[in-house]
Amino acid sequence: QKEVEQNSGPLSVPEGAIASLNCTYSDRGSQSFFWYRQYSGKSPELIMSIYSNGDKEDGRFTAQLNKASQYVSLLIRDSQPSDSATYLCAVRIYGQNFVFGPGTRLSVLP
Amino acid sequence: GAVVSQHPSWVICKSGTSVKIECRSLDFQATTMFWYRQFPKQSLMLMATSNEGSKATYEQGVEKDKFLINHASLTLSTLTVTSAHPEDSSFYICSARGQAGVPPDTQYFGPGTRLTVL
Repeated sequence: QKEVEQNSGPLSVPEGAIASLNCTYSDRGSQSFFWYRQYSGKSPELIMSIYSNGDKEDGRFTAQLNKASQYVSLLIRDSQPSDSATYLCAVRIYGQNFVFGPGTRLSVLP
Repeated sequence: GAVVSQHPSWVICKSGTSVKIECRSLDFQATTMFWYRQFPKQSLMLMATSNEGSKATYEQGVEKDKFLINHASLTLSTLTVTSAHPEDSSFYICSARGQAGVPPDTQYFGPGTRLTVL
């Protein structure tokens, strides 16, 4: 059974702080990793994808992948109240469907 | 790039009627489209996967005769909820995967369709 796990939260951080969201996965064959953001009542939107071990930065977002430990994380620097949303981790093995985690609810307090 | 649209964005219907939801990839060819359902405060639940020109593959527990999926072209998939009942009220979201940009295996989501069955 392929599993993707996330802490459901809510994770509360003050405005301006760094928010750290974590995701672990069970299938060592996983090759592609994605972070989506979903605002309440809206559909998910892609934030970042990562494929290789290490860090990948895009603006205030940094994705970190460690395949040996089977985890992927998302750091949000200078968190803003507009970042308050549910963050979904998704994992894919080549040729197979995505497996989504349950999501972590982030609340950025002004 | 990589825009997916859905129509309608919301629909209210009477119990027993059928509702069709369209999902279109606007600027890329979607070799695979996915249909999800999401109840309030719950996770995304994959209903089915469809490849252009092929029959959809349904997830366990999803009634294929109730949720009809057609993926007739590389840019259009439709989901028809037949004989809808109040328990079918939910947020239906499609996503598409194709050759848009780099990398090609990324899923892009439509804005979703909120279905309310009275």
